Amino acid sequence: QQKVQQSPESLTVSEGAMASLNCTFSDGTSNNFRWYRQHSAKGLEVLVSIFSDGEKEEGRFTAHLNRANLHVSLHIREPQPSDSAVYLCAGNSAGNKLTFGIGTRVLVRP
Amino acid sequence: DPKIIQKPKYLVAVTGSEKILICEQYLGHNAMYWYRQSAKKPLEFMFSYSYQKLMDNQTASSRFQPQSSKKNHLDLQITALKPDDSATYFCASSQETGRGERLFFGHGTKLSVL
Repeated sequence: QQKVQQSPESLTVSEGAMASLNCTFSDGTSNNFRWYRQHSAKGLEVLVSIFSDGEKEEGRFTAHLNRANLHVSLHIREPQPSDSAVYLCAGNSAGNKLTFGIGTRVLVRP
Repeated sequence: DPKIIQKPKYLVAVTGSEKILICEQYLGHNAMYWYRQSAKKPLEFMFSYSYQKLMDNQTASSRFQPQSSKKNHLDLQITALKPDDSATYFCASSQETGRGERLFFGHGTKLSVL
């Protein structure tokens, strides 16, 4: 079964500074990749979906995919305190089944 | 307004009892899913349904039984509850089960088994 490693475990950034999160997959099972955000006691909000090697931007969120290295990253441009949340990466395999990492807890200080 | 409604939001149960977690989606989707998030573990796929039929089951225990009475409903019955079943259970839906279909998640039901 595919495993997903997320780093760092937690991240504190100042408002306006770039935040960078990483995700490495154990194998090439996943066909496409997603970044989700989870605020406490709320559902998951999809931020970016990426299907091809390279970069995909959605507003202030940019995902980078390198299939050869089984690596996906997320960059948050000009983070705001409201961006404080747990960020989850997920790989999507057959049957639209998502395999998640354990998450990176991001705190944005004013 | 939330388009995927999960009820209840919080649930406390005693060991050995049975509970049903409710999920309704108003997105007109044909595929529905259950995921579980236990403490200090990744969100984990449990079941997927398409057009009210079971597509995939990654849950080892038969104590977990999805029930689809209507196209936009996928409830989760859990019998003989154990403390290890304590987790937040998320329902999700997508238009179809093809790869690449965007999944929408509900807010979850947090289950505590004492």
